[in-house]
Amino acid sequence: QQPVQSPQAVILREGEDAVINCSSSKALYSVHWYRQKHGEAPVFLMILLKGGEQKGHEKISASFNEKKQQSSLYLTASQLSYSGTYFCGTANTGNQFYFGTGTSLTVIP
Amino acid sequence: DSGVTQTPKHLITATGQRVTLRCSPRSGDLSVYWYQQSLDQGLQFLIHYYNGEERAKGNILERFSAQQFPDLHSELNLSSLELGDSALYFCASSAPKAGGAYNEQFFGPGTRLTVL
Repeated sequence: QQPVQSPQAVILREGEDAVINCSSSKALYSVHWYRQKHGEAPVFLMILLKGGEQKGHEKISASFNEKKQQSSLYLTASQLSYSGTYFCGTANTGNQFYFGTGTSLTVIP
Repeated sequence: DSGVTQTPKHLITATGQRVTLRCSPRSGDLSVYWYQQSLDQGLQFLIHYYNGEERAKGNILERFSAQQFPDLHSELNLSSLELGDSALYFCASSAPKAGGAYNEQFFGPGTRLTVL
């Protein structure tokens, strides 16, 4: 039931854009996005509750396609502070919460 | 600072032992979640409590148990520890809402458990 993320890892130069995808084999009712820096706890970025909804957080935005059971996280004009591992997460009807496989993002100068 | 506290920060113990990890949620949050993160691995959902009652179980071993007390703090008990139980254990809390699991989760700093 764990959502699958792609790519597994990506390296960007400052100012470049990136897209992280999250796919589920089960129906998605909501999608969360979190970022975890090395040695730290995950930090909430955004939650998407409705199909097709897009939300934004600074230069980070996300979309949610309920029909395709997918969500994508868009990072534009990446900054060094964006480095970390990004996780999508979703709850099922049983109130279990599953995080995705994770995407390691490294931004270099 | 997320407002979620976890103690202890580090725990080193031997195989076969039992340990208790403690979590205090943010003020006002009724939901507490426990996660296990092994070295360079993802976050595995263990269990979710809402206002003192178990709401959902994930990949939690039978040797592990948890509870949430009337003051809403939670404890995760790990017994008959094995080497493979070495991991970072996070708790998270979220604000009350119908369906609890849909709200943003605030994570504590984690407890790093090392089983020797």
